[in-house]
Amino acid sequence: NAGVMQNPRHLVRRRGQEARLRCSPMKGHSHVYWYRQLPEEGLKFMVYLQKENIIDESGMPKERFSAEFPKEGPSILRIQQVVRGDSAAYFCASSPPGQPQETQYFGPGTRLLVL
Amino acid sequence: SQKIEQNSEALNIQEGKTATLTCNYTNYSPAYLQWYRQDPGRGPVFLLLIRENEKEKRKERLKVTFDTTLKQSLFHITASQPADSATYLCALNQAGTALIFGKGTTLSVSS
Repeated sequence: NAGVMQNPRHLVRRRGQEARLRCSPMKGHSHVYWYRQLPEEGLKFMVYLQKENIIDESGMPKERFSAEFPKEGPSILRIQQVVRGDSAAYFCASSPPGQPQETQYFGPGTRLLVL
Repeated sequence: SQKIEQNSEALNIQEGKTATLTCNYTNYSPAYLQWYRQDPGRGPVFLLLIRENEKEKRKERLKVTFDTTLKQSLFHITASQPADSATYLCALNQAGTALIFGKGTTLSVSS
């Protein structure tokens, strides 16, 4: 059973470009969470999704950031018009149905560098 | 304001000793508390979950305690090994769905 998969593992963008980060949850998992880890900072929650629904986006910046988890395919975190401050590690986590608040299984992360 | 503090950024101990890491929180009433391990360049890996009505939980060489009166959790690694060197994160959940993480304690076990 493969774990949570994220791609790309590393992403370099210039200021003003778009970044798309993908997350495939563990098989059978229907809850997906995105977190951001800035250098020397803890993991910060961004958004929680279930298939085709955003459940909690209280941690998402109001502008430029969006997330989706379509019926088919991976969850996508999209950052438009990236700025240097967006440089961070972005982690996706998933959890099984019925246990949205308990253990979350993390992917290896995507390290975004904005030049 | 709400805070989670892991009050040592770094902890250095000798192989074979017990490592004790602390997690304190304020202005939360979590249903449970979790500990994760994170190695450099990797995602966090779940270790243990303890519920608010549990005092202690064990898994192999790991032990977690949860004191909701003191608002504190202690995480112990007994008979520590160099392979235990990593950053350990505590995380809480409040009402809602997000995990709230501390900044972590980096443990170094020397042989």
